[in-house]
Order: sequence, then structure tokens, then C-alpha cells
Amino acid sequence: DVKVTQSSRYLVKRTGEKVFLECVQDMDHENMFWYRQDPGLGLRLIYFSYDVKMKEKGDIPEGYSVSREKKERFSLILESASTNQTSMYLCASSLRGGAYGYTFGSGTRLTVV
Amino acid sequence: QQQVKQSPQSLIVQKGGISIINCAYENTAFDYFPWYQQFPGKGPALLIAIRPDVSEKKEGRFTISFNKSAKQFSLHIMDSQPGDSATYFCAASNTMDSNYQLIWGAGTKLIIKP
Repeated sequence: DVKVTQSSRYLVKRTGEKVFLECVQDMDHENMFWYRQDPGLGLRLIYFSYDVKMKEKGDIPEGYSVSREKKERFSLILESASTNQTSMYLCASSLRGGAYGYTFGSGTRLTVV
Repeated sequence: QQQVKQSPQSLIVQKGGISIINCAYENTAFDYFPWYQQFPGKGPALLIAIRPDVSEKKEGRFTISFNKSAKQFSLHIMDSQPGDSATYFCAASNTMDSNYQLIWGAGTKLIIKP
């Protein structure tokens, strides 16, 4: 069964900490995405990547960075966590192109205290 | 022009009833319209999708209706069941652009009352 695996289901971090969220896919997908999901705001794109070592800013990249050193792994980095980054973070992957379905991970619920 | 507007934000339907969620778009280059279903604690999963060359697509109790001239599409869930309670997202993309992403609606939280 193909899947996208996010390393943690729940995380609690302190304000100012550097936080790493890891995502691994086993489908050989070119595209990978990081979203955050907040009640009433839907899915907001933070960063995406079309290939190894490539990254593109999404709609809300401020306060985040990403790393894609290998095709199967896409990491989201919160450089200095803040309370307004408390959210559900979802990783997704897809084949190249706009007509392919996204496969999502189960999400990481991050709480910054 | 990039937005996909989804309504309602939340919806309560009695068991056995019809659930209807609507989406509208502006970008006429969009040519692929999927719906995703998300259960609590899970990521969204592809439910059903349509291309604009057909006006309707049905899979079991789930139907997408598409109105190209109005730039609207909707999800109908027939004989709604408590197990259908979830958040539903519509989306759209331009498949001619190889790097194009899905543009998402804001989501609809559907509750089916037993």
C-alpha cells in the first residue's frame, strides 16, 4: 500500500525552538507539498517541491523553510517556533502534472507553547 | 482568478438525505476538478474527480455535477450515512501546466445525523 509517512502525529515545542517536521513517500513521486490546516481556513500551502533540491514558496512561507535532499523526503523547518504556528501540518505528494491525485500523510498536530 | 470558492462551510443532514456541497471558480484554464474527503485525524483522500468534457460523474452514492458555463461544480451525496461525516474539499487545476498545483476550496464540514 503506497503511503506518505509523517514522522510524528503530535508534537509540543517551546517558543523559539527550531522544529523539524519530516515527511517520506514511497511512491517515487516528483512533487511534494507542505500544507497547514486551521479551522475555517482550509488547506494553505506553505512550500512545495518539484524535484530534489528544488523548492517553491507557497501562499504562507513566512517563518518556514524546507529541505529536499532526496526524492522521497521533504522536510519542513520552523526556524524559531511561535505560538501562531500551532496547527495541523499535512504533507502530500503527487506525480508531476496537474491531473494527478495527491496522497496525503496523516498529519502532525504541532502545539507551540 | 486563482480562487476556488466552496460553500457551505458546514452542513448538517439527516441520515438518508442528500448532501450538496458547491464550488465555483474563475480561471477558465482549470480542467480538472477533484473532491477530497477527510476524516478526523487523517489526511484528505481523493474521493472523485471530473473533467469539463462531461456534465456529471457518478461513483456509488457520490456524484459530481459540472456546469462549465456557470463555472460551478458540486458534490452530491445520496442516501447520506453517518459514516459520510467528514470534511470535504473541492479543488481545481490546469492539467496543461506540468507544474501546476491543485487550488483548494476552504472545505465543508459535513455531519450526518442518525
